[in-house]
Amino acid sequence: GEDVEQSLFLSVREGDSSVINCTYTDSSSTYLYWYKQEPGAGLQLLTYIFSNMDMKQDQRLTVLLNKKDKHLSLRIADTQTGDSAIYFCAERREDNFNKFYFGSGTKLNVKP
Amino acid sequence: AAGVIQSPRHLIKEKRETATLKCYPIPRHDTVYWYQQGPGQDPQFLISFYEKMQSDKGSIPDRFSAQQFSDYHSELNMSSLELGDSALYFCASSLVAPGGPNEQYFGPGTRLTVT
Repeated sequence: GEDVEQSLFLSVREGDSSVINCTYTDSSSTYLYWYKQEPGAGLQLLTYIFSNMDMKQDQRLTVLLNKKDKHLSLRIADTQTGDSAIYFCAERREDNFNKFYFGSGTKLNVKP
Repeated sequence: AAGVIQSPRHLIKEKRETATLKCYPIPRHDTVYWYQQGPGQDPQFLISFYEKMQSDKGSIPDRFSAQQFSDYHSELNMSSLELGDSALYFCASSLVAPGGPNEQYFGPGTRLTVT
């Protein structure tokens, strides 16, 4: 994606924690989002974080934002095989509330 | 809860033909977005509409056009189709609030195959 980068693959065992990372370059980001895409399906919004927050927790999901380093992460606790999917981070910048800039996606493989 | 509806779900066209994709946003959402996702790629923003007016334009080819109607549904019209237009086309909708997260909710997509 345009200036939003993610590692391409992550493999974990069922029950472990997964951490998916994302870096972005534009300091004017206002909101950052995580989406999940299963094969052949649309993008499902998982969570988002406002840029003045450091952390947001939602059940098994924890989002960490380091604005200084422009680094965003998604931690999935107790990863299940149903979590296997591609995870996209996306940012929305201050100058354009319409446009989301997506990362290239991280394919999470959960082994039983 | 109602989601974004897209039709058709699958479409097969030949080169140089035209195609029309339809999107029905979540009720009361005022903004519609169109994205194109090639195999193994991230979604690329094409165009968006807010309150029936074009609000932003991304990497949409001149052969494509779109509009949002009075009932807020949107159509993406694609002409002179090329093999490279084969992709998943997503529509997303949101309810815009100043300073708010304006979460975009995606439809299931239309898979277009050009032969």
